[in-house]
Amino acid sequence: NAGVTQTPKFQVLKTGQSMTLQCAQDMNHEYMSWYRQDPGMGLRLIHYSVGAGITDQGEVPNGYNVSRSTTEDFPLRLLSAAPSQTSVYFCASSYSGVPNEQFFGPGTRLTVL
Amino acid sequence: AQSVTQLGSHVSVSEGALVLLRCNYSSSVPPYLFWYVQYPNQGLQLLLKYTTGATLVKGINGFEAEFKKSETSFHLTKPSAHMSDAAEYFCAVSEQTGANNLFFGTGTRLTVIP
Repeated sequence: NAGVTQTPKFQVLKTGQSMTLQCAQDMNHEYMSWYRQDPGMGLRLIHYSVGAGITDQGEVPNGYNVSRSTTEDFPLRLLSAAPSQTSVYFCASSYSGVPNEQFFGPGTRLTVL
Repeated sequence: AQSVTQLGSHVSVSEGALVLLRCNYSSSVPPYLFWYVQYPNQGLQLLLKYTTGATLVKGINGFEAEFKKSETSFHLTKPSAHMSDAAEYFCAVSEQTGANNLFFGTGTRLTVIP
């Protein structure tokens, strides 16, 4: 199993550009989520999904969009990048329900100039 | 709303010394509690979790944590630090119902001095 994979590993954008961060898992997990990690702030939940076709907002959803058309994939879209979105982004997945262990991807480091 | 406080953004210990990383939560209903570790340039890995039952929880790499409801705490300890323990440690909570969302503390960076 590859676990949770994320692409790209690094990305530099200019303000106003759009892009999609990819996340895929091969563990047949129903739950998937996106977090952003900023210095001194820990990880904060952006969006999550409890199954294909179902998504919901987390703590910091503004400026981000998600969809879940398959169980395996959960892409995160930045519609119009802003410098405040410079961060490290982590995707995670788990079986549904609490308290199942979440498995994290290696992260995407995004810089918005 | 869930809230997690980790006291001390940086902790330094000598190799072989006790490691103590502090975590307090704020919730009217005790949540599920987790400790994750992040090695440089990597994702997060689960160290241990408390759900129900025994309040002293043992995890990987010799770490353990004790849930104290009266103190709303879930401190992480290891009797003897190794150089390989140098990493960032995150305490997290999730609610007992609903989606499996995690709420993280701000993290503690552990440095081990040879």
